Amino acid sequence: ELKVEQNPLFLSMQEGKNYTIYCNYSTTSDRLYWYRQDPGKSLESLFVLLSNGAVKQEGRLMASLDTKARLSTLHITAAVHDLSATYFCAVVETSGSRLTFGEGTQLTVNP
Amino acid sequence: NAGVMQNPRHLVRRRGQEARLRCSPMKGHSHVYWYRQLPEEGLKFMVYLQKENIIDESGMPKERFSAEFPKEGPSILRIQQVVRGDSAAYFCASSPLQGTGANVLTFGAGSRLTVL
Repeated sequence: ELKVEQNPLFLSMQEGKNYTIYCNYSTTSDRLYWYRQDPGKSLESLFVLLSNGAVKQEGRLMASLDTKARLSTLHITAAVHDLSATYFCAVVETSGSRLTFGEGTQLTVNP
Repeated sequence: NAGVMQNPRHLVRRRGQEARLRCSPMKGHSHVYWYRQLPEEGLKFMVYLQKENIIDESGMPKERFSAEFPKEGPSILRIQQVVRGDSAAYFCASSPLQGTGANVLTFGAGSRLTVL
């Protein structure tokens, strides 16, 4: 069974600081997704990473994928309050068709 | 394009009643996924459907839960004889292709079920 683990689960940081969220998964996959969820809201797609070494950036967020290490990172640069949300990574097994989500990282950016 | 539409957004039921949650996928999408999110937890896969077919229901509880996606109309997740532990947010997502491929699942706003 595919397992997806994120760390940290809770992250409180100051505005202007940098930090990285990690996502490890347990079986072969070449498709990894990052989503953002605001409290009481639905999930917003941030990134789709499809190959080893893929790197994507949008604003202050940058995501990367290392399929050999079964690891993805979501790096936050110079955090701002608007980035406060819960971030989920989700993985599809190579032979599968459904997303398996990590537990989520609840990010709070303090002024 | 109205996106993935779920209703009701909020539903309150007493123990033993039935809950019906509806999901209309995005226009052009013929694949629907249901996920459940318990408070402070991640999303857990429940079921994957195409029109008139259940493709993968490995995440569905064996009893009281059922799902359908008829030829006409929305997909429906039905929970019979609800219990307090069924209180959760139920999210529907849709995709235009089988599996997820390179396409991102588009999620609806969710239906929040509260069982009293």
